Amino acid sequence: NAGVTQTPKFQVLKTGQSMTLQCAQDMNHNSMYWYRQDPGMGLRLIYYSASEGTTDKGEVPNGYNVSRLNKREFSLRLESAAPSQTSVYFCASSERGAGQREQYFGPGTRLTVT
Amino acid sequence: AQSVTQLDSQVPVFEEAPVELRCNYSSSVSVYLFWYVQYPNQGLQLLLKYLSGSTLVKGINGFEAEFNKSQTSFHLRKPSVHISDTAEYFCAVIVYSGGGADGLTFGKGTHLIIQP
Repeated sequence: NAGVTQTPKFQVLKTGQSMTLQCAQDMNHNSMYWYRQDPGMGLRLIYYSASEGTTDKGEVPNGYNVSRLNKREFSLRLESAAPSQTSVYFCASSERGAGQREQYFGPGTRLTVT
Repeated sequence: AQSVTQLDSQVPVFEEAPVELRCNYSSSVSVYLFWYVQYPNQGLQLLLKYLSGSTLVKGINGFEAEFNKSQTSFHLRKPSVHISDTAEYFCAVIVYSGGGADGLTFGKGTHLIIQP
């Protein structure tokens, strides 16, 4: 099992450009998440999806959109990139059972907006 | 809303010495607690979790943590650290909403630096 995979690993954008970050998991998890990590800030939740067909805003959703394409895939889109969106982006997935609350993380996408 | 405080942004420790990384949370309801580790240029890996039951939980790589409800703390400990433990450590909490997915609320992280 590959676990959670993310593409691309690195990306440089100019201000105003758009791009989509891809995430896929092969653990048959229902729930998926997008976080951003900034120095000294920990990780902050951008959007999440409880199950296929549903998405909800997290703590910092402005400037982003998401699509839960199917049970495996959850993409994050930046429509018009801004320098404030320079960050490392992590996708995660989890099961929803009472004893299975931990989230499994992908390797991250390092995004620079100039 | 819940919050997580990691009191130390950086902790230097000599190799083979014990270490404690502190974590406090604020929530008026029941929570699930986690410690994750991030090695340089990698994703996050679960060290241990507290969902219910025994307040002392053991994790991977010799780490353990104790849940203290009265002090709203979940400190991480290791009796003897190794150079390979150098990493960023994150404490995180979920408040169970019952509705499905619950995003993690993270602390800002503690950088553990092991000195030879």
